[in-house]
Amino acid sequence: AQKVTQAQTEISVVEKEDVTLDCVYETRDTTYYLFWYKQPPSGELVFLIRRNSFDEQNEISGRYSWNFQKSTSSFNFTITASQVVDSAVYFCALSENNAGNMLTFGGGTRLMVKP
Amino acid sequence: NAGVTQTPKFQVLKTGQSMTLQCAQDMNHNSMYWYRQDPGMGLRLIYYSASEGTTDKGEVPNGYNVSRLNKREFSLRLESAAPSQTSVYFCASSEDPSLYTGELFFGEGSRLTVL
Repeated sequence: AQKVTQAQTEISVVEKEDVTLDCVYETRDTTYYLFWYKQPPSGELVFLIRRNSFDEQNEISGRYSWNFQKSTSSFNFTITASQVVDSAVYFCALSENNAGNMLTFGGGTRLMVKP
Repeated sequence: NAGVTQTPKFQVLKTGQSMTLQCAQDMNHNSMYWYRQDPGMGLRLIYYSASEGTTDKGEVPNGYNVSRLNKREFSLRLESAAPSQTSVYFCASSEDPSLYTGELFFGEGSRLTVL
């Protein structure tokens, strides 16, 4: 069975600090997809990134970067020079190849960025 | 551009009462989903509808029923509410899962309290 663990339930940083959100997953499939979603205070989840299991290249998008390592079953998310607007709950999620768009979510990490 | 709209946003029920959460999407998506969000547990899939006319159980279907009324609408019904169903409920939609994108579009959530 697939499982996603986000060990950090809450992180607090001061603006401009870098912060890394950890995500560890379990799956028996060789083909799977990993995701990060952001849930701002307004409530709705917003898609950030998708990675498939065959693409271990790290990705950078502005201040956001993702480090995918199959050897440790991890898909960590780093925010560089954090800003107050980054304050949100962040979810890592996993979908196996035959599961269509059905995602298994981690418990989420609440990030608080203080000015 | 409304996206995914859920109603009501807040509801308080007494144990044993019934209610229906409504969800509509205007993106012409084939697939729709109902998740519940509980502290520390992330989002868990209740039911999903891969396409109009089909529905399937997710991870936590007990105590719920769904109806895919048409391509736009997917409702979630609690026949006899229990305190364990106190949660935030999210409706989501996505393109045809056979074209797998993994990107779900979420509504703003419905906060339900069962006393």
